[in-house]
Amino acid sequence: EVQLVQSGGGVVPPGGSLRLSCAASGFTFDDYAMHWVRQAPGKGLEWVSLINWSEGSTQYADSVKGRFTISRDNSKNFLYLQMNSLRVEDTALYYCVKDIRRVTFGVFDSWGQGTLVTVSS
Amino acid sequence: DIQMTQSPSSLSASAGDRVTITCRASQTISSHLNWYQHKLGKAPRLLISFASTLESGVPSRFSGSGSGTDFTLTISSLQPEDFASYFCQQAFSSPWTFGQGTKVEMK
Repeated sequence: EVQLVQSGGGVVPPGGSLRLSCAASGFTFDDYAMHWVRQAPGKGLEWVSLINWSEGSTQYADSVKGRFTISRDNSKNFLYLQMNSLRVEDTALYYCVKDIRRVTFGVFDSWGQGTLVTVSS
Repeated sequence: DIQMTQSPSSLSASAGDRVTITCRASQTISSHLNWYQHKLGKAPRLLISFASTLESGVPSRFSGSGSGTDFTLTISSLQPEDFASYFCQQAFSSPWTFGQGTKVEMK
């Protein structure tokens, strides 16, 4: 059974940093691209970032480009999202998401439970 | 970016009803359209990929259709466990974008 167990959320002031982690199990982690998707309070879902099976290929939404960094440790089956220069508008529930292929096909077949990030002074 | 417009934003229905949700893309996305179910406090669940491919374990009362810009999710006979939010997502090009969601509530 695929499991994506997230950690690392919390409350941080504007301009602060936070790192989200996602522990993957139940599948061969380095066979799949991974994403982060978020949902702000009362809003729809927003794709944030992608990392293909190898760390060499990443993509970001314009809203987080230059501030967030996605990475993965295939030896430990972990996905990360380093979030710097956080803004109030980054407040959201962040989901760790598994793709169906090594190089993304944009199909999100397993989701973590979500971790809340609140940016507030 | 490709905009996804989903309708209705909410609907009230009874168990046994046939429910239809539509999703329109701002440009053609071929069949690169996915549907998800989301219940409060739970992880979203992929129901249908590539517009009409039912995911393993998803009941056959769920079906998807469409191509190009217009797509439909149909629940043929609504069950109590189907009261949830549903949203579409285009997988044609990055950034992958979602519809605003449809909340299916009990009448």
